Amino acid sequence: DAMVIQNPRYQVTQFGKPVTLSCSQTLNHNVMYWYQQKSSQAPKLLFHYYDKDFNNEADTPDNFQSRRPNTSFCFLDIRSPGLGDAAMYLCATSTGGLGQPQHFGDGTRLSIL
Amino acid sequence: AQSVSQHNHHVILSEAASLELGCNYSYGGTVNLFWYVQYPGQHLQLLLKYFSGDPLVKGIKGFEAEFIKSKFSFNLRKPSVQWSDTAEYFCAVPYQTGANNLFFGTGTRLTVIP
Repeated sequence: DAMVIQNPRYQVTQFGKPVTLSCSQTLNHNVMYWYQQKSSQAPKLLFHYYDKDFNNEADTPDNFQSRRPNTSFCFLDIRSPGLGDAAMYLCATSTGGLGQPQHFGDGTRLSIL
Repeated sequence: AQSVSQHNHHVILSEAASLELGCNYSYGGTVNLFWYVQYPGQHLQLLLKYFSGDPLVKGIKGFEAEFIKSKFSFNLRKPSVQWSDTAEYFCAVPYQTGANNLFFGTGTRLTVIP
């Protein structure tokens, strides 16, 4: 059974048109993460929520925002997507405890026209 | 801050060959290390982790890794690979306590030829 669910699997948007990616979890984990993974590269952390506390990575562009309305859901908003934002976006969760692994969703592949 | 590096970008092996994928970490205090695997079209999943204790860690599907502190290494091994092991393998280390944010290595693509 899927425990970290990302919708949609594929998303196409136009240059500059806002887009929202969705992630939900059934694990009741404290922490939810958003990663960007470009082709043949490592996943790169954009930000995470520890409960309601938002933590942005220093090099995450302002174009990327996130919302976590409750424990189960977390959204990634890209306000004005550029061609360079085409990538796979991964959501993950964790209890946040030391040494605990992260559980990943299947990802959303974002294409920009 | 901790980080990891993987020097093998693409490894091609025949079935039944032995596998060793390199991972080196930079020391920054308590060391936790992970190996994740991403099969084609699937999500990242945990293969194994080192937290403390026995430096030889057993994972799923016959994989193991050895934490060698003197060499700053956490290499992944499997004595006999199968075609189904074809995947991308990522070494990772937490770089922030509390939320366990992960820094991923650049990954190693393993192709196993039947």
